Amino acid sequence: DQQVKQNSPSLSVQEGRISILNCDYTNSMFDYFLWYKKYPAEGPTFLISISSIKDKNEDGRFTVFLNKSAKHLSLHIVPSQPGDSAVYFCAASASEYGNKLVFGAGTILRVKS
Amino acid sequence: NAGVTQTPKFQVLKTGQSMTLQCAQDMNHNSMYWYRQDPGMGLRLIYYSASEGTTDKGEVPNGYNVSRLNKREFSLRLESAAPSQTSVYFCASIQGITGELFFGEGSRLTVL
Repeated sequence: DQQVKQNSPSLSVQEGRISILNCDYTNSMFDYFLWYKKYPAEGPTFLISISSIKDKNEDGRFTVFLNKSAKHLSLHIVPSQPGDSAVYFCAASASEYGNKLVFGAGTILRVKS
Repeated sequence: NAGVTQTPKFQVLKTGQSMTLQCAQDMNHNSMYWYRQDPGMGLRLIYYSASEGTTDKGEVPNGYNVSRLNKREFSLRLESAAPSQTSVYFCASIQGITGELFFGEGSRLTVL
């Protein structure tokens, strides 16, 4: 039973437009959420995170929104650039469980120029 | 600053062979992790070590063993490889409790 779900395997967006990647979770104990980005033949790299006490966190072109009641978070990339083309993993952790990260299956983002 | 280094990057094994994946980090991190990545499954935790001298099972530990040799090094061993262990393996480390893992570049393992 996947506790973190990314239901869209892929997303294609035009350069300059907004990319919205979605993530749902089932475990209400999760209190910290992260997004990782992965290029082919490389390890995932940290992108942005949000604590459960917040509903929004922004870092440049990247904004993460958290809706705790819906157990849903999303990553917005504005404007999208071709270099953003990668696999994006949503991850969650719970301080109760020693902060081990649980990852979603990933969403492949393609930004077309 | 190399970060997290994994070796080998590629390996092909026959069913029943054994091998060890090596991981070393130079960031003085306390905790280290081994994940495997499979299509449609994301990253799944195999084993982790919260600190030097301790190891614990993750979500998918069967068929694997680990050794936390010292603070820097955390190895993953397959005693008798099976085709189901064909995957990309990632080692990661973290200093504190923020959840921001630093990953190695991955080791692609194929078991025939």
